[in-house]
Amino acid sequence: KAGVTQTPRYLIKTRGQQVTLSCSPISGHRSVSWYQQTPGQGLQFLFEYFSETQRNKGNFPGRFSGRQFSNSRSEMNVSTLELGDSALYLCASAPTGDEETQYFGPGTRLLVL
Amino acid sequence: DAKTTQPTSMDCAEGRAANLPCNHSTISGNEYVYWYRQIHSQGPQYIIHGLKNNETNEMASLIITEDRKSSTLILPHATLRDTAVYYCIVRVASRGSTLGRLYFGRGTQLTVWP
Repeated sequence: KAGVTQTPRYLIKTRGQQVTLSCSPISGHRSVSWYQQTPGQGLQFLFEYFSETQRNKGNFPGRFSGRQFSNSRSEMNVSTLELGDSALYLCASAPTGDEETQYFGPGTRLLVL
Repeated sequence: DAKTTQPTSMDCAEGRAANLPCNHSTISGNEYVYWYRQIHSQGPQYIIHGLKNNETNEMASLIITEDRKSSTLILPHATLRDTAVYYCIVRVASRGSTLGRLYFGRGTQLTVWP
């Protein structure tokens, strides 16, 4: 099976812009989670989707949002970008009933200037 | 979810066993121990998990003490490619509102030397 894929891999934006990141889970996985990783805060949970519904949300401002499509592919959006949003954004998918065994994609590295 | 304590860094010679400890003294009876690792600039990779029995797979072995307050991840023959940050995570498997949510600490930076 193909692994989790994320696009784009690298992105440069300026403050105030918005960005959309995409994630394609492993075939058959319906749970998709998003994490933000920065040197200062480490890996932090953003949100999780299952069957097109947000099932969980971390402590991030409303500028961070996401959605999941019927084919389980997911997107996350960050509006009004701030310098502090520069990070590696990781997507993970998991099989139903074993959501702790998550398979991560390579991530999208976002740089906000 | 229970908190974990791991050493910040460890070294290991290539070909030797790497033993990575994790303390989880407040673990509850229904909480599992999970191990993930993250090689530089890549996404985390699932390694192994267990409840109370020792577990082994093609990547590693997990030894959990009888009182379950600590565990050790063992890489039997470390290679240079095992250099990574190793995360020990303790949580209830598939529980309600925290389903699909992992809490990563700072982990242990394992460096394997040639």
